[in-house]
Amino acid sequence: EAGVTQSPTHLIKTRGQQATLRCSPISGHTSVYWYQQALGLGLQFLLWYDEGEERNRGNFPPRFSGRQFPNYSSELNVNALELEDSALYLCASSLVGRTYTEAFFGQGTRLTVV
Amino acid sequence: KNQVEQSPQSLIILEGKNCTLQCNYTVSPFSNLRWYKQDTGRGPVSLTIMTFSENTKSNGRYTATLDADTKQSSLHITASQLSDSASYICVVSDYGGSQGNLIFGKGTKLSVKP
Repeated sequence: EAGVTQSPTHLIKTRGQQATLRCSPISGHTSVYWYQQALGLGLQFLLWYDEGEERNRGNFPPRFSGRQFPNYSSELNVNALELEDSALYLCASSLVGRTYTEAFFGQGTRLTVV
Repeated sequence: KNQVEQSPQSLIILEGKNCTLQCNYTVSPFSNLRWYKQDTGRGPVSLTIMTFSENTKSNGRYTATLDADTKQSSLHITASQLSDSASYICVVSDYGGSQGNLIFGKGTKLSVKP
């Protein structure tokens, strides 16, 4: 069974551009979480989608947005990129967002803003 | 405020030695606690997951303990190997779903030297 897959694995953008990151959850998982991990720091919660709806977002500016598609895959969009947006972006999926469930992580997308 | 604190921040041990990592949390209401292993530049991989009624859980050379009364957990690694070098992240699930259910510690960076 395929795990959580993220694409692309690496992305280089120029300051001010937009970046789109994609995540495909494990088959049957309805919840998708996005996290940012800047170099040397812990994971910071970005967004949580469940059943196609945004359930919660972390303390990030509105230029971080996303969506979840009917097949439960998800997109994270970052507009007006800034240098400090350079980080590893991790996606995780779980079966249900509110109960005792395991969350499985993808390998991440390394975003570099120059 | 829901928080997860880990100690030490980093640790260096010799191959074959044992070590213990600590996690204290203030998350309420508590649902479960997970330990993840994260290799550099990769997504975290689950080691153990425990509910409030479980005191200990093992996964090979990894043994996690949980004291729900004192809100403390530890991860004990036995007979360390070079491949154990990674960051170990304690994650507590907030049953109320305030952050998509997962509140992350900053991790302990373990280096195993030959």
